[in-house]
Amino acid sequence: AQTVTQSQPEMSVQEAETVTLSCTYDTSESDYYLFWYKQPPSRQMILVIRQEAYKQQNATENRFSVNFQKAAKSFSLKISDSQLGDAAMYFCAYRTFQGAQKLVFGQGTRLTINP
Amino acid sequence: NAGVTQTPKFQVLKTGQSMTLQCAQDMNHEYMSWYRQDPGMGLRLIHYSVGAGITDQGEVPNGYNVSRSTTEDFPLRLLSAAPSQTSVYFCASSYWRGNTGELFFGEGSRLTVL
Repeated sequence: AQTVTQSQPEMSVQEAETVTLSCTYDTSESDYYLFWYKQPPSRQMILVIRQEAYKQQNATENRFSVNFQKAAKSFSLKISDSQLGDAAMYFCAYRTFQGAQKLVFGQGTRLTINP
Repeated sequence: NAGVTQTPKFQVLKTGQSMTLQCAQDMNHEYMSWYRQDPGMGLRLIHYSVGAGITDQGEVPNGYNVSRSTTEDFPLRLLSAAPSQTSVYFCASSYWRGNTGELFFGEGSRLTVL
């Protein structure tokens, strides 16, 4: 079974600086999706960024980018120019292309932005 | 643009009571699922469905029942609530094949079992 590990329960960063959240996963498959979801205090789950494993190019969405290392099974999220609104719980998630295509989540990293 | 709608948003139960969490989506998604979120454990899959009449168990199915009679609705039933079922529950849906993989989530339901 696939597993996703986020080794940083909490992170903090100064406003306007850059922070990187770590994620590793375990799978024997070659094709899959990886995601970062953001959960602010409102509890809503918001998609931040998506990466298809067959794409070598790292995904970017404005201030958010990933470092996808397929061989190392690593998928880190970099947030540039951190803003107060970035404060949230961040979840890394894996979704297989196969079978029922279940989505597996990591434990989450709580990000605090210091003004 | 409703997306995924969950009700109720908050519920308090006594041990042994039953209840149903409702989930509806208006995006014609084949795939629907229920997750529970507990501190330090991320979101864990309870049950999922890939179409009307088709359901299967996820990682933590015990104590929960589901059914899928229509494409739009996927209710989660707690037959005899236990304090261990105190959690935040999320319903999520997506296309199943040939899609972007993204799951769309409801706003969550906080359940407390006393």
